[in-house]
Amino acid sequence: DIPMTQSPSSLSASVGDRVTITCRASQTIGTYLNWYQHKPGKGPNLLIYRASSLQSGVPSRFSGSGSGTDFTLTISSLQPEDFATYYCQQSYSAPFTFGPGTKVDIK
Amino acid sequence: QVQLEESGGGLVKPGGSLRLSCAASGFTLRDHYMTWIRQAPGKGLEWISHISYTGTSIYYADSVRGRFTISRDNAKNSVYLEMSSLRADDTAVYYCARDFYGSSLDLWGQGALVTVSS
Repeated sequence: DIPMTQSPSSLSASVGDRVTITCRASQTIGTYLNWYQHKPGKGPNLLIYRASSLQSGVPSRFSGSGSGTDFTLTISSLQPEDFATYYCQQSYSAPFTFGPGTKVDIK
Repeated sequence: QVQLEESGGGLVKPGGSLRLSCAASGFTLRDHYMTWIRQAPGKGLEWISHISYTGTSIYYADSVRGRFTISRDNAKNSVYLEMSSLRADDTAVYYCARDFYGSSLDLWGQGALVTVSS
């Protein structure tokens, strides 16, 4: 298994802030890294796949970068609908483990 | 409308069994690997199993291997998760999801709650 870590575990931010979340894999995974947004009562929503590819329909304020073991999700200007929990997931080798999540709430 | 809908959740006693179903609509199920993921109360997402296009390739997480069985019926546009020897720590919302490029998950259901309690 490939354990994933995320930091921070939670953050408080204001509308318009630039937000950065980091994800680290315990071994190199190339660019097999995905990011999801999860809101209570709903299924998660794919934001970024293969580390930096923006999923269709996802606003361009979301971006991803990184390769190897270290990855970043950036929200360039936080909007009210972005308050949620964000998860990274490696898709390099099964089981395709998720990070523990980063909760973004309102400051 | 492209969607996934889970059903079959509920309350079951420890040691019991339950079968979850995931109905797909609006797309061709046989074109995609399918995955089950769960979220225990207050916890994060846990990937638990996936199945290839025709079911010839299957993988389970260690936490469910030997107790859970994933299957699919492409003619019925459905994926299943048979769960047995259930334990309290299997209590979770169970999601099915569609595999996209590079095993990312681009379509999720709303989830089915499974509660294991006496």
